[in-house]
Amino acid sequence: GAGVSQSPRYKVAKRGQDVALRCDPISGHVSLFWYQQALGQGPEFLTYFQNEAQLDKSGLPSDRFFAERPEGSVSTLKIQRTQQEDSAVYLCASSRIAGGPGTGELFFGEGSRLTVL
Amino acid sequence: QKEVEQNSGPLSVPEGAIASLNCTYSDRGSQSFFWYRQYSGKSPELIMFIYSNGDKEDGRFTAQLNKASQYVSLLIRDSQPSDSATYLCAVFPINAGGTSYGKLTFGQGTILTVHP
Repeated sequence: GAGVSQSPRYKVAKRGQDVALRCDPISGHVSLFWYQQALGQGPEFLTYFQNEAQLDKSGLPSDRFFAERPEGSVSTLKIQRTQQEDSAVYLCASSRIAGGPGTGELFFGEGSRLTVL
Repeated sequence: QKEVEQNSGPLSVPEGAIASLNCTYSDRGSQSFFWYRQYSGKSPELIMFIYSNGDKEDGRFTAQLNKASQYVSLLIRDSQPSDSATYLCAVFPINAGGTSYGKLTFGQGTILTVHP
């Protein structure tokens, strides 16, 4: 596609509910990142994929968070038993560069805004 | 101490003036430095990146890097109301293993308002 596509754009969940957020990166982009952005804050790194391999998941805040990219293209971020503190915008970004963004440009999707009641 | 610090603002400048946005970082081994712009309700978009000490110019934008002072700035000349947005400074560090994956660390952003 022309850009990074994320769905749903908005999700309201009741506390304890599981949610799944989808990211469709730019075609051919090797690297895929998930970030969490709270209101008024900068994006916080969650996890990184190079093709289908999850090379860094150090930013995932708890074991309730799980991400996958099984075929090296579309990725899903799953949050189990959602809590109010999970309310944030979840940003997906992709890059044509393999091995990190140090020499590449990140293209962000519009984000999925999660509200946990 | 946060890894990347920015004054949250808001910074208000008149149209046509120079806007100066500042950022400091804590990891002395950081390699690459990025400025992203984020309009309200939208996703961040890359404006500039800089790797070497000194200035880098691109149109109305100039990025300045001083690694000794661990300081990076963005100057916007001839500011326009359309420049009103949050500006995010991002830093790419070196980890102990010598390789880094995706750990672009962002500051909290500076809100810039350019008024006519």
